[in-house]
Formats: sequence, C-alpha cells, structure tokens
Amino acid sequence: NAGVTQTPKFRVLKTGQSMTLLCAQDMNHEYMYWYRQDPGMGLRLIHYSVGEGTTAKGEVPDGYNVSRLKKQNFLLGLESAAPSQTSVYFCASSYSTLVLTFGAGSRLTVL
Amino acid sequence: QQPVQSPQAVILREGEDAVINCSSSKALYSVHWYRQKHGEAPVFLMILLKGGEQKGHDKISASFNEKKQQSSLYLTASQLSYSGTYFCGTEIGGGADGLTFGKGTHLIIQP
Repeated sequence: NAGVTQTPKFRVLKTGQSMTLLCAQDMNHEYMYWYRQDPGMGLRLIHYSVGEGTTAKGEVPDGYNVSRLKKQNFLLGLESAAPSQTSVYFCASSYSTLVLTFGAGSRLTVL
Repeated sequence: QQPVQSPQAVILREGEDAVINCSSSKALYSVHWYRQKHGEAPVFLMILLKGGEQKGHDKISASFNEKKQQSSLYLTASQLSYSGTYFCGTEIGGGADGLTFGKGTHLIIQP
C-alpha cells in the first residue's frame, strides 16, 4: 500500500518555466491538499479538493493552479515559476476527519 | 490566521519532560498535532475535538481548552526518537477545507 506518492521528488526550474507536480493516493480518500513548507513558516495551504472534479483556494493560491480529474490524482501546476515559489511542496489526503496522510514532499528550486 | 506555537525551540536531555503550546485567535472545532523529522513528511500524532478532551499516545498526551482556544502537547520522559518539529493544525469549521498549521516547535533530545 503506497499511500500518497508525489512526483517528482526534486526539480530545478528557471524563472518563467512551467511545471506540474503530481500527487497520487491509493486510499480512496475524498479530500486532497497541497501545502508548501518554507523555513520558519510552517505548512501553508495552497489549494485543496473535496472530491473528484472540485478544487478550492487555500491560504496562498496565487501563482498556482490545480486539477482533480480523477479521484486518486491531484495536480499542482506552476504556469510561470518565480524564485518566491522555491519551496518544499507536500501533498496530503484524508478520508473525512481531516487526519492527513502526507506524501514525502517535492523540493522545487526556481533560479 | 496561523495559530501561535510556543516555544519555538526546546532542547532537552533524554528523560526530561516538555510542553508545547498552541493558541488561536479564533474559536476552534478541533486541534491536530503532527511531528516531522528532518527531511521527512509530517506524521499524524493525535486529534482533539472541542469538548476539552485529553488524549494520549504512548508518553505523549495533549489537552484542548476550547474556551481559551488553546491546546498543549505534553511529552513525558522524552526519548531520543521524540526529536523533530511539532506542528499544531487547527480546524475552524468542521468542514474539509484543510488545517491551518502553526510555524512549528523544534524539539531536540540529547542523550
């Protein structure tokens, strides 16, 4: 049972490039979340989804887009990367009680 | 708005006790506690629902004072394995719109 899998684990981008982070869960969870973690800032919610085909903005959504076309996948996109988006990105999923299962994280560096 | 955690960092000797506090400016539906080891994903410890309950997990326990909008995490007779960063996550509405995390408390246990 893999849980929550994030790909890629590491990525380096140049300013202005685009990329997509993929999150896949095999626990049949309804809810999925994207957080970013920066030193001294804790985890901040970017976007979330409460079910297939739904998405909503979190605390820091600017510069990101998401899609949830299939229940098990939640994609996070950066259309035009900026150095301020250098961070570690965590995907998480939950069934109903908001007990989050996190992926291993994706470290993104924007030069 | 992020909950406020205190202290920011704690250094203990093995066997000593620690208390980590989490306070919110808003009324809370629940408080969650997670631990993250360096380079790893956060891992769920426990959830406390409004009602002033106290929960335990091995020698780690927590309380939730709904009236004061505060929660405390108690680590008793700390072990080396307790080292890491502890985050509280707060839930306001009881829906599925994600947790708001504090900035974390770094706990270092020395032999």
